[in-house]
Amino acid sequence: AQKITQTQPGMFVQEKEAVTLDCTYDTSDPSYGLFWYKQPSSGEMIFLIYQGSYDQQNATEGRYSLNFQKARKSANLVISASQLGDSAMYFCAMRGTDSWGKLQFGAGTQVVVTP
Amino acid sequence: DAGVIQSPRHEVTEMGQEVTLRCKPISGHDYLFWYRQTMMRGLELLIYFNNNVPIDDSGMPEDRFSAKMPNASFSTLKIQPSEPRDSAVYFCASSFGLMGTGELFFGEGSRLTVL
Repeated sequence: AQKITQTQPGMFVQEKEAVTLDCTYDTSDPSYGLFWYKQPSSGEMIFLIYQGSYDQQNATEGRYSLNFQKARKSANLVISASQLGDSAMYFCAMRGTDSWGKLQFGAGTQVVVTP
Repeated sequence: DAGVIQSPRHEVTEMGQEVTLRCKPISGHDYLFWYRQTMMRGLELLIYFNNNVPIDDSGMPEDRFSAKMPNASFSTLKIQPSEPRDSAVYFCASSFGLMGTGELFFGEGSRLTVL
């Protein structure tokens, strides 16, 4: 069984500052994938970034980077230079080899960017 | 290219009525997923299809729920009879394969309210 934990229900961050969103996971699968999605108030789910368990480098996509610490089973999302448009709910998700089709989501972290 | 298209965007119905939610995946995608989002339970995978064939329906809450995918460009999620606890946002998502990134592309969701 897999489990995704996001312990921060909500965060405030000032514009232009960096913010780190925590995500820990638990799985017995030797191979797995980790994802981050953004859900703005309009409701759609937007894919941000992906990290494979065997990837040597931490994933980066523009202002998003994933701080992957495999031994600690953590996959924190770092958003650099926050913008007002980054205000949204952020979900960490994973899937493992025993059920590769099942992308399981954490509870999410609400981020509010203030001017 | 058009994204995943869901209809209706909003549905208000009375308990006991049949509800049908529709989804058109992105052309060429071979996986289709139905998720449900509620405040209490977060995002839950209900069922997913590969090449129009249901692969895992273990997340379908009960027999009142059924899903079909008659062809590669159309899927339905039906609730009959509906109950107030079915009120949620239902997301359809599609992907091209699952290996590597294989990220899911989500529709805008169908918000269901059962009175």
